[in-house]
Order: sequence, then C-alpha cells, then structure tokens
Amino acid sequence: QLQLKESGPGLVKPSETLTLTCTVSGGSVTSGTYYWGWVRQPPGKGLEWIGSTYYTGNAQYNPSHKSRVTLSVDTSTNEFSLRLSSVTAADTAVYYCARHPFTILTGYYLDSWGQGILVTVSS
Amino acid sequence: QSALTQPASVSGSPGQSITISCAGTSSDIGTYDYVSWYQQHPGKAPKVIIYDVSKRPSGVSDRFSGSKSGDTASLTISGLQAEDEADYYCGSYATGSPAVFGGGTHLTVL
Repeated sequence: QLQLKESGPGLVKPSETLTLTCTVSGGSVTSGTYYWGWVRQPPGKGLEWIGSTYYTGNAQYNPSHKSRVTLSVDTSTNEFSLRLSSVTAADTAVYYCARHPFTILTGYYLDSWGQGILVTVSS
Repeated sequence: QSALTQPASVSGSPGQSITISCAGTSSDIGTYDYVSWYQQHPGKAPKVIIYDVSKRPSGVSDRFSGSKSGDTASLTISGLQAEDEADYYCGSYATGSPAVFGGGTHLTVL
C-alpha cells in the first residue's frame, strides 16, 4: 500500500527558505502516470495546491507561487521535495505531499496523501 | 479567495440526504470533467471520495455521489451518518492550473 510521509523543520524564520521532503513507500516515484504534488492548508483555512512534478523534472506550479517554488524528485531515494523561498508568516500552514494522477486516462486529482506537517514561519 | 465557490456549511439529520455545491467557471468545471471531492476530518489529511466528476475510488461508500451541470459540480451524500461530519472540498483541473480547490464546506450531522 502506498504511503507518503513529509519531513522537515517545523519552524522557519521569515525571509528564509523552507525545504520539505516527502518519502514514498509502497510505490515508486518513477511510476509513469503520476505526478507528485504539494498542497498546503493554513490553520483554520482551506486547501491550496502549490505544485506537482513528474520524476523527469517536468513540474507544474500554482501561478501564485511560481516565482518562489522549486520542486524536485530524487529517484535514488524515492523522495520528492519542495523548496519555498522568502517565506513570510502567510506561509504558515500544514503542508501535505500527495500523489497526483495526471493524464487524460487517469484523470487529474490527488489520490494518496501524507499525514501533513505543520510549518510555522516566525522569528 | 478560492477559485471555486462552496457554501461554508451545510447540515442534515441522520438518514437524510444533503448536497454540497461547487461553483466554478468556464475555465475549470465548465470545460473539464476532472472534478474531485475530498473529505477531511479534524486533524487528518484529506481523502478523495469522488474523482472525474462522478467516479468513486475503491472502498468509498456508494452513499457518496457526484455530478456536474454547466459550471457547477455537486456532491450528494445519502443516508447521512454521524461519521460523515467533516469538511468537504471540491477540486478541479483548470486552464493554467492543474489543481484548484473550493474554500471548503463543513457538514454538521444534527
């Protein structure tokens, strides 16, 4: 059974770069029909898609964050990562990693989610 | 402000049916049959319950159903149960963005 788990710092200072990693078990990040994505949820608020990436490096980003976000995949460790630069308090949220079916045949949705990790931006 | 518009809350009694709407535009729901719905219990990760407008993942109760008309999608839950009390989010593929979400709807089972 596919499992995803986020890891990274729970506290980041303003203006710094947030880096999170998602470890995938029970499946491979090189699976052909899936992208691997990130979604965040500020406390008490709704979901926001950040971006999704294919294992080859082809990535799609939310236009609202495109200038600050970098997604990458490490096939040797079966992990994918999120880098968000120049963070502010508005980036405080629970960050989820998820598998993202991404073809006309599979549809476009997020079918398996990690448990989430709370990241607080504060000095 | 979310790309898709949902009511903030709905409620129903056990055994009843409720419907949650999700209003979009011609750039998302109106053009693409890639509407999904997610259920989120407090402190838990979202779980997909409907994808491609009306398909249910394996293991999801057939009490959950989805539909679409024009720019608006709907999630119907029949035979309400106490365990259905949760937040529900709609999502859609959109021009220029593979994933947009609604603001979420809290379902209260009375």
